[in-house]
Amino acid sequence: QVTLKESGPVLVKPTETLTLTCTVSGFSLSNARMGVSWIRQPPGKALEWLAHIFSNDEKSYSTSLKSRLTISKDTSKSQVVLTMTNMDPVDTATYYCARSRRDGYVFYFDYWGQGTLVTVSS
Amino acid sequence: EIVMTQSPATLSVSPGERATLSCRASQSVSSNLAWYQQKPGQAPRLLIYGASTRATGIPARFSGSGSGTEFTLTISSLQSEDFAVYYCQQYNNWPPSFTFGPGTKVDIK
Repeated sequence: QVTLKESGPVLVKPTETLTLTCTVSGFSLSNARMGVSWIRQPPGKALEWLAHIFSNDEKSYSTSLKSRLTISKDTSKSQVVLTMTNMDPVDTATYYCARSRRDGYVFYFDYWGQGTLVTVSS
Repeated sequence: EIVMTQSPATLSVSPGERATLSCRASQSVSSNLAWYQQKPGQAPRLLIYGASTRATGIPARFSGSGSGTEFTLTISSLQSEDFAVYYCQQYNNWPPSFTFGPGTKVDIK
């Protein structure tokens, strides 16, 4: 059974750095057909892709947020970590981690965590 | 950077009716297009990938079509549990990136 679970602070202050952890089970982060992304959703708004890490440790980031994001993984712990620097109230959102699956050249998110709401406020 | 647009923003449909949702990419994404359903307070659920392949456990009333820049999600006969927000998502090979559309809300007419 594949599961993903996000963990991290529920409240951060402006200018602080957010660190979120996604703990996965039911698959290996070294599986060549799998990867993990972080995706966020401000209240009442659309989904926004943030960052992705592939099984070979290659990373990709949203162009608009690249300077603030770092994604990494610890395969032995089955964890993917996202850090976002210089948090602002506009970063208030539910943050999801999701597993990507590759079928040929097609990539899609087949399993999602439940999400964690992060509020940025002083 | 590829931009995704969806139309309409809101679609009002009666139960049992057909719903047609559109998604457009600013440049060709071939068939690298997925559709998700999201209900309030829940994580998105994968419906369609590769533009037209239903995910495991998705009812046959959901179908996807299109390639290149124009895609469609069709719900043949809306059930009460289908009222939700639907997002399309593309994957671009280089540089590797994902983009979601702004969503279409399907509500009860």
